[in-house]
Amino acid sequence: KNQVEQSPQSLIILEGKNCTLQCNYTVSPFSNLRWYKQDTGRGPVSLTIMTFSENTKSNGRYTATLDADTKQSSLHITASQLSDSASYICVVSGDRGSTLGRLYFGRGTQLTVWP
Amino acid sequence: DTAVSQTPKYLVTQMGNDKSIKCEQNLGHDTMYWYKQDSKKFLKIMFSYNNKELIINETVPNRFSPKSPDKAHLNLHINSLELGDSAVYFCASSQFIRSYEQYFGPGTRLTVT
Repeated sequence: KNQVEQSPQSLIILEGKNCTLQCNYTVSPFSNLRWYKQDTGRGPVSLTIMTFSENTKSNGRYTATLDADTKQSSLHITASQLSDSASYICVVSGDRGSTLGRLYFGRGTQLTVWP
Repeated sequence: DTAVSQTPKYLVTQMGNDKSIKCEQNLGHDTMYWYKQDSKKFLKIMFSYNNKELIINETVPNRFSPKSPDKAHLNLHINSLELGDSAVYFCASSQFIRSYEQYFGPGTRLTVT
């Protein structure tokens, strides 16, 4: 079954600290993996997108890594800011056949940054 | 200059009513989607249209009927609303069905009383 699991479910950190969010998936065949940030009351916004051939991709203070062999990804946030408080959603895209064009969503990690 | 817009932003209605949510994208994209986000923040795809043609239709009650009058619009009509339909509904678009990037609208919070 094609699934995306994220951990932790929620996380609280102090402003300025770093944190790492995890994503494990079983989607196959796999096309790409995305991390989205969703602020409260807003639609998701893409942070990074990686294909199976990419190991790491950065977007400012956000760095995503991908291990296509173990089907794991992480999102590392450095020097957190209050505005980082949001839900971070891992999304895996299928490549062909029954998974073509489909997106498989994780349930998200709710990150709260305290001053 | 909003990329993906939805109306209304909030919708409160009673059980049994019929309602519609409208979505428009001005990005020139070929593919549009409807997602449902439940109270636990889990996003689940409902429908996908590519060039006005239905591509993905997940296991959604047939009370939900998407309509795409043209490539830039994908509306969602819901008949006989039920309490369980209460959720936030997001519209999204991508350049092609296999595009990596999807752009989401601001969402429509539907509350059924």
